[in-house]
Amino acid sequence: AQKITQTQPGMFVQEKEAVTLDCTYDTSDPSYGLFWYKQPSSGEMIFLIYQGSYDQQNATEGRYSLNFQKARKSANLVISASQLGDSAMYFCAMREGYQGGSEKLVFGKGTKLTVNP
Amino acid sequence: SAVISQKPSRDICQRGTSLTIQCQVDSQVTMMFWYRQQPGQSLTLIATANQGSEATYESGFVIDKFPISRPNLTFSTLTVSNMSPEDSSIYLCSVAPGTLRLQETQYFGPGTRLLVL
Repeated sequence: AQKITQTQPGMFVQEKEAVTLDCTYDTSDPSYGLFWYKQPSSGEMIFLIYQGSYDQQNATEGRYSLNFQKARKSANLVISASQLGDSAMYFCAMREGYQGGSEKLVFGKGTKLTVNP
Repeated sequence: SAVISQKPSRDICQRGTSLTIQCQVDSQVTMMFWYRQQPGQSLTLIATANQGSEATYESGFVIDKFPISRPNLTFSTLTVSNMSPEDSSIYLCSVAPGTLRLQETQYFGPGTRLLVL
């Protein structure tokens, strides 16, 4: 079974509007961390935001916020006031705790976001 | 954070040859990771490289095909051996500056775009 599922291969948004990119995850470990990365066409992976499984509040970083719904196992990324430079691939990733001995980041398939002027 | 550079940034190679990719970090890091991103796909972890020990390979990746060196805390190399067109991918180096606690952010290099003819 996939650990990270991103069901939106592509999303379109108008400049200055908000957009939500979906991410659901699967783990039986009570300790885990969820990450979002942005990959522009140049190829580098840019860290955006982190949410821990025990965090009481949703994470925010500037225009990025994470809508964390633990019971639903979802960690959707919300980008407010979209800019043309936000056009990129967005990857959701998870690192599980140490019960399973895993330290690696597991990535979803990504969502390609296009911001229209 | 960490600043990561990779060489080469891109290359075109003939099948049957080998290419060594270098990853340099501006600070000492405990753990380094090598990922592969095939065209239009997500990131897949090849191996984890700790200084002073053998690299740990993920399922589906073997040392004979992807030998890794980690001579010190700021440098690593990945060799793609006996290349075939299926090896055409972006290869990304990633580091975790700390002790890879659950919330530790992983930073990525700019990637090496490899095309095998």
